[in-house]
Amino acid sequence: RKEVEQDPGPFNVPEGATVAFNCTYSNSASQSFFWYRQDCRKEPKLLMSVYSSGNEDGRFTAQLNRASQYISLLIRDSKLSDSATYLCVVDSSASKIIFGSGTRLSIRP
Amino acid sequence: EAQVTQNPRYLITVTGKKLTVTCSQNMNHEYMSWYRQDPGLGLRQIYYSMNVEVTDKGDVPEGYKVSRKEKRNFPLILESPSPNQTSLYFCASSLSARESGYTFGSGTRLTVV
Repeated sequence: RKEVEQDPGPFNVPEGATVAFNCTYSNSASQSFFWYRQDCRKEPKLLMSVYSSGNEDGRFTAQLNRASQYISLLIRDSKLSDSATYLCVVDSSASKIIFGSGTRLSIRP
Repeated sequence: EAQVTQNPRYLITVTGKKLTVTCSQNMNHEYMSWYRQDPGLGLRQIYYSMNVEVTDKGDVPEGYKVSRKEKRNFPLILESPSPNQTSLYFCASSLSARESGYTFGSGTRLTVV
């Protein structure tokens, strides 16, 4: 089993829709969780950290479910500019984080 | 501007010809890391450094070397590149390995023929 697993997609949704994707992780001792966004052929950029209490940043909401070992990302009122690959990141030790392979999201007009 | 600078952006080279990809950060970060990204395989860690003169292997270190003589620089060295090292490479830095978000360089697209 991979340490971090994501549905690769692609998710193809209309503009204005709400879309959510999950990411599961295998290490129950993991403490740090992040979502990154990567545009085609560009570097990953930190979208948001994921806290135990959940957190929201504008149209984006991230949540952590420790019991089931997954994190989620919800995007409300999606925009064309949200089209990208979303990478889930989980720490596996004090010196290492693991990137998921990413979920491709395409927003259509 | 806080950033990680990688050079070159694009490189085509021949098998066996030594090359170095440079990485420099201006954020005084202690942690730096190199990744390669290949279709279907995601980002895989090559080497990382927790601080000056402290480096360690990641998941795919074979064929690569690194050094960390100064805090800001973390070059990636391919002593004898082979075609299977054709990939998109990213350097990243962070305040810490796990608690903080990473800042990535713009990437180096390497082709070995």
